[in-house]
Amino acid sequence: SAVISQKPSRDICQRGTSLTIQCQVDSQVTMMFWYRQQPGQSLTLIATANQGSEATYESGFVIDKFPISRPNLTFSTLTVSNMSPEDSSIYLCSVHLILGGYEKLFFGSGTQLSVL
Amino acid sequence: EDQVTQSPEALRLQEGESSSLNCSYTVSGLRGLFWYRQDPGKGPEFLFTLYSAGEEKEKERLKATLTKKESFLHITAPKPEDSATYLCAVDDDKIIFGKGTRLHILP
Repeated sequence: SAVISQKPSRDICQRGTSLTIQCQVDSQVTMMFWYRQQPGQSLTLIATANQGSEATYESGFVIDKFPISRPNLTFSTLTVSNMSPEDSSIYLCSVHLILGGYEKLFFGSGTQLSVL
Repeated sequence: EDQVTQSPEALRLQEGESSSLNCSYTVSGLRGLFWYRQDPGKGPEFLFTLYSAGEEKEKERLKATLTKKESFLHITAPKPEDSATYLCAVDDDKIIFGKGTRLHILP
């Protein structure tokens, strides 16, 4: 399995500020994924972070709002920029591993963000 | 449009009362279906991966099954500690999650 450490676990931020979320994996992985989970909603993929190249963003998400870094094969950050109350959500990082012939997705513990 | 629909949205059971959660999907090419458990304030915890119709997986009181259009998560004689939100996701080149079923087991 994979152990994923994500921090901060929660934060309360003021409108207009930015927050950077860190994600550390205990093994080297090619791709890391960032998700958003809004209250009562399913997990939505924000972007895929590849080491050595720019992140790939899903429809509705842009780099200026959610800049991502991927400096090595075990670490990534997601920044939520110029926050508004609509950004209040849980943010999760994830990795996909093939273990025993089966694809498995592992998640960090999540960052609960509240924007005032 | 690819979709994943979970039902019911919420389910309350008495301890020991078995039941099933449903995940129906419409995707162009299923590459895998995943079940997760999520406790409040935590990230999803991996339970099962299923690849083909007829496949079954078991873990303690949970059994997941897969058909061409849906998957079931059967919970046998549940205990209060099984209370959580159960998420289903499908891999159709991209991972698509359902909204989950909130399960509450009453002692």
